[in-house]
Amino acid sequence: ETGVTQTPRHLVMGMTNKKSLKCEQHLGHNAMYWYKQSAKKPLELMFVYNFKEQTENNSVPSRFSPECPNSSHLFLHLHTLQPEDSALYLCASSQGSVETQYFGPGTRLLVL
Amino acid sequence: RKEVEQDPGPFNVPEGATVAFNCTYSNSASQSFFWYRQDCRKEPKLLMSVYSSGNEDGRFTAQLNRASQYISLLIRDSKLSDSATYLCVVNRRGGADGLTFGKGTHLIIQP
Repeated sequence: ETGVTQTPRHLVMGMTNKKSLKCEQHLGHNAMYWYKQSAKKPLELMFVYNFKEQTENNSVPSRFSPECPNSSHLFLHLHTLQPEDSALYLCASSQGSVETQYFGPGTRLLVL
Repeated sequence: RKEVEQDPGPFNVPEGATVAFNCTYSNSASQSFFWYRQDCRKEPKLLMSVYSSGNEDGRFTAQLNRASQYISLLIRDSKLSDSATYLCVVNRRGGADGLTFGKGTHLIIQP
């Protein structure tokens, strides 16, 4: 498989559930990102990882917890989410922090 | 001033016409600029990078004006398949912290 993959593609969860989003990149990149895209809003950067180290947490609530075990994999652990967290969550990767970012297809999340 | 500003549109344009979008950015230290395209309910995909000297890719031309801090995208001979949202993208804070995406300009090509 090539590019950036994300699973699951769709997720419905209750506010008390715990779930995880997974992202995998097959491009040999060293930087990975989580973005949130809500309806009618621009992409919001959530987290940045460079060489497995978190270099940015863009004031994201602690109910979102990222994990980057290696340069190819990125997880977003979710717990006690709110309905307003319903959005499209996109993962991206790049060779460097200023280089072109390649996106996965996203996980469309609905919190009930 | 927002980091990246775009006219959200929608721009309704007849097929075959030429359409141009502008985007302004606030960080004068920005060094990397891109146009991405996002189709409805899909992920953003790179359309083209924007170089200081301007660049062209088929029907698409991108220009950068550093003095005025704006980027433009010109689409010639527009096709129905060009209908999408076009995102202006600029690197953040001199390059250390990834990219900032504009809200996007919605383009509708009409037959």
